[in-house]
Amino acid sequence: EPEVTQTPSHQVTQMGQEVILRCVPISNHLYFYWYRQILGQKVEFLVSFYNNEISEKSEIFDDQFSVERPDGSNFTLKIRSTKLEDSAMYFCASSVPERGKLFFGSGTQLSVL
Amino acid sequence: GNSVTQMEGPVTLSEEAFLTINCTYTATGYPSLFWYVQYPGEGLQLLLKATKADDKGSNKGFEATYRKETTSFHLEKGSVQVSDSAVYFCALSGSGGGADGLTFGKGTHLIIQP
Repeated sequence: EPEVTQTPSHQVTQMGQEVILRCVPISNHLYFYWYRQILGQKVEFLVSFYNNEISEKSEIFDDQFSVERPDGSNFTLKIRSTKLEDSAMYFCASSVPERGKLFFGSGTQLSVL
Repeated sequence: GNSVTQMEGPVTLSEEAFLTINCTYTATGYPSLFWYVQYPGEGLQLLLKATKADDKGSNKGFEATYRKETTSFHLEKGSVQVSDSAVYFCALSGSGGGADGLTFGKGTHLIIQP
């Protein structure tokens, strides 16, 4: 069965460093998403992406964050200058246009020291 | 704005027990409602959904009914198994079109003991 894959599974970085989280969505999907979950808190929507542009973003997704689909298969989330509070599990997801039916990757645990 | 509240875990039950995980929501318009499940080491998977009031979503023995009058979408299963141990997330999507972001609850960790 096709699945969304995320790399790396764990990422440790120093505060102020740039990180890129990588995702390979399911190949025929059209919508792509990033969510995050800080330990003990809710899964929070960050951004959705369609037709090579951001279609929706949350208040969390500020100028420090960016997304890109560089080559038609990968979907990346970049955090320019990481803060301690960016430590979280980051989930990538993709979907065809059936509302709410998202396919999630198993996540990247980001630890900012 | 939209929000989802679900019961805190962990919830620990014996095999074959009856399960209820409560979920209530706040939303404008007419959201669709979902339950997602996350097994250890895996991503979230859609378990079931309901798109309008009084709809019942069901899958793998789990059921949930969209109750507009009580703004609830409680998850139930008549007889749980050890393999149901996972984290369960209640979620809603807005009534707009396109790539709506889902609003999730915190998740409820379910532990089933043999």
